[in-house]
Amino acid sequence: AQTVTQSQPEMSVQEAETVTLSCTYDTSESNYYLFWYKQPPSRQMILVIRQEAYKQQNATENRFSVNFQKAAKSFSLKISDSQLGDTAMYFCACLGSGNTGKLIFGQGTTLQVKP
Amino acid sequence: NAGVMQNPRHLVRRRGQEARLRCSPMKGHSHVYWYRQLPEEGLKFMVYLQKENIIDESGMPKERFSAEFPKEGPSILRIQQVVRGDSAAYFCASSPQRSGETQYFGPGTRLLVL
Repeated sequence: AQTVTQSQPEMSVQEAETVTLSCTYDTSESNYYLFWYKQPPSRQMILVIRQEAYKQQNATENRFSVNFQKAAKSFSLKISDSQLGDTAMYFCACLGSGNTGKLIFGQGTTLQVKP
Repeated sequence: NAGVMQNPRHLVRRRGQEARLRCSPMKGHSHVYWYRQLPEEGLKFMVYLQKENIIDESGMPKERFSAEFPKEGPSILRIQQVVRGDSAAYFCASSPQRSGETQYFGPGTRLLVL
């Protein structure tokens, strides 16, 4: 069974500053995928970034990057140069490599970017 | 290139009625997933379907809930005899052929049971 834990229910950051959201996971799969999704007030789920567990290099997408520590089963999201539009709920998720297709989500972290 | 489409966006039902939620995957995607989000919670997996097949329904309640993805047309999540506890946001996602691919989400259907 897979579990995903986000220990920070709420966080805030000043505009233009950097913030890191934490995520830990547990899985018995030998290969798996990790994701961060963003859910703004519109409630649409938007993919932020994806990491394949067999790749050691941390994924990066513009201002978003991850710190993937496989041994520690940690997958944190760093947002640089925070913008007001980054205000949203952020969900960490894990997907096994088998045919189940079951994404396991964490509880979410609400991020508030302050002007 | 249209994204995942869901309709209706909002649905109000009275207790005991049926709710039908529709999902059209992205073009070229043959895998569909349904998730439920209760207020202030994360998304919970319900069911994974490919065309005409249910692959994993381990997250579906045993009664009143069913899902299908016919050869032609959208995927349907059907809730019979709705109760207030079914009030939630229901999200559909789709992915391309291979498993392990990124799932792209639709805008969700907000179901309110009165």
